[in-house]
Amino acid sequence: GNSVTQMEGPVTLSEEAFLTINCTYTATGYPSLFWYVQYPGEGLQLLLKATKADDKGSNKGFEATYRKETTSFHLEKGSVQVSDSAVYFCALPIGGNQFYFGTGTSLTVIP
Amino acid sequence: DAGVTQSPTHLIKTRGQQVTLRCSPKSGHDTVSWYQQALGQGPQFIFQYYEEEERQRGNFPDRFSGHQFPNYSSELNVNALLLGDSALYLCASSIGTWSSYEQYFGPGTRLTVT
Repeated sequence: GNSVTQMEGPVTLSEEAFLTINCTYTATGYPSLFWYVQYPGEGLQLLLKATKADDKGSNKGFEATYRKETTSFHLEKGSVQVSDSAVYFCALPIGGNQFYFGTGTSLTVIP
Repeated sequence: DAGVTQSPTHLIKTRGQQVTLRCSPKSGHDTVSWYQQALGQGPQFIFQYYEEEERQRGNFPDRFSGHQFPNYSSELNVNALLLGDSALYLCASSIGTWSSYEQYFGPGTRLTVT
């Protein structure tokens, strides 16, 4: 069945560093792919999504490209800020609106 | 426009008790999904309600049940609580049951079972 494998954390970066969080997927067909973010004490928020192969989702300086050949959807940001400290989840649908979430990658950005 | 709201924020229960969690979806949304998020893990799908019926269910026992009301709000009930039921319970709302639509999550209810 559909699933994602997400890079384990935690990740600690200095402000303005480059961020990559790896996510690979296993899926039947070509489902949409999502990145969600969870700030401390809050629920999940959709960060970005891509609906087909070679699509690039982007939001708030974050980007992820849906790569069919490597079954990957890695999250990147060129220059992280302290306010980006959060837990990031890769996710894909496994039927209708039912989502499979990765285990999450905790990011801490230090000034 | 209020987003997804959940109540209560925190809850402490004893093993064997029963609990009810509540969720009000974002305005205009008609579908509610419930997730369980254990500490340090990603959310796991419990079930989804649409048109007042359970449409999809994850791998959770029958102790977990729910309901959706005509105004689209929803309840999650858990009977015979176990220590392992301690988690953050998230409600997500969306339009329809198709995965292309964005899900909006509430802040969650933190359930502690002692």
